[in-house]
Amino acid sequence: RKEVEQDPGPFNVPEGATVAFNCTYSNSASQSFFWYRQDCRKEPKLLMSVYSSGNEDGRFTAQLNRASQYISLLIRDSKLSDSATYLCVVKGDSNYQLIWGAGTKLIIKP
Amino acid sequence: GAVVSQHPSRVICKSGTSVKIECRSLDFQATTMFWYRQFPKQSLMLMATSNEGSKATYEQGVEKDKFLINHASLTLSTLTVTSAHPEDSSFYICSARGVLAVTDTQYFGPGTRLTVL
Repeated sequence: RKEVEQDPGPFNVPEGATVAFNCTYSNSASQSFFWYRQDCRKEPKLLMSVYSSGNEDGRFTAQLNRASQYISLLIRDSKLSDSATYLCVVKGDSNYQLIWGAGTKLIIKP
Repeated sequence: GAVVSQHPSRVICKSGTSVKIECRSLDFQATTMFWYRQFPKQSLMLMATSNEGSKATYEQGVEKDKFLINHASLTLSTLTVTSAHPEDSSFYICSARGVLAVTDTQYFGPGTRLTVL
């Protein structure tokens, strides 16, 4: 089983729709969780950290379910510019190592 | 925000040559820098972690004699791909963690696309 698993997609979504990404992780001791976004042929950029209580940043909402070892990202009112690959990231045990999911590709269509 | 640069952004080389990639933290000091590799449609894979002034820690399966890492200062780490082969063609990305960082945030460089002919 992979340490961090995501649905590879692609998700083809019409502009304005709501889209949800899910991610599961295997290490129950993980403490830090993140969503990154990566555009084609570019480096990943931090979208948001994921907190235990859940957190929201504009149109983006992240949730964490420790019992199920599950992280989610919700994008409301999707824009064309949201098209990218969304990477679920979990901090490893030591040395600030980040464990990366393979990413879910999102394509927003006009 | 923190800025990390990489040079070169793109390199094409012949099989058997060595390629050096630089990673610089421009406006902060980085005690720890990470080197990743990403093949098309795959996740980022951590290759090694380098701490300023000490030897890099390589992930399992990464040859330390092939991928030489030097982190000689708090703002510069280099990755040298020695005797490159076509299978080394990939997107190499570095990230840096600041000296005063209290979170797990890593700042990424823009990446270097290596093509070995």
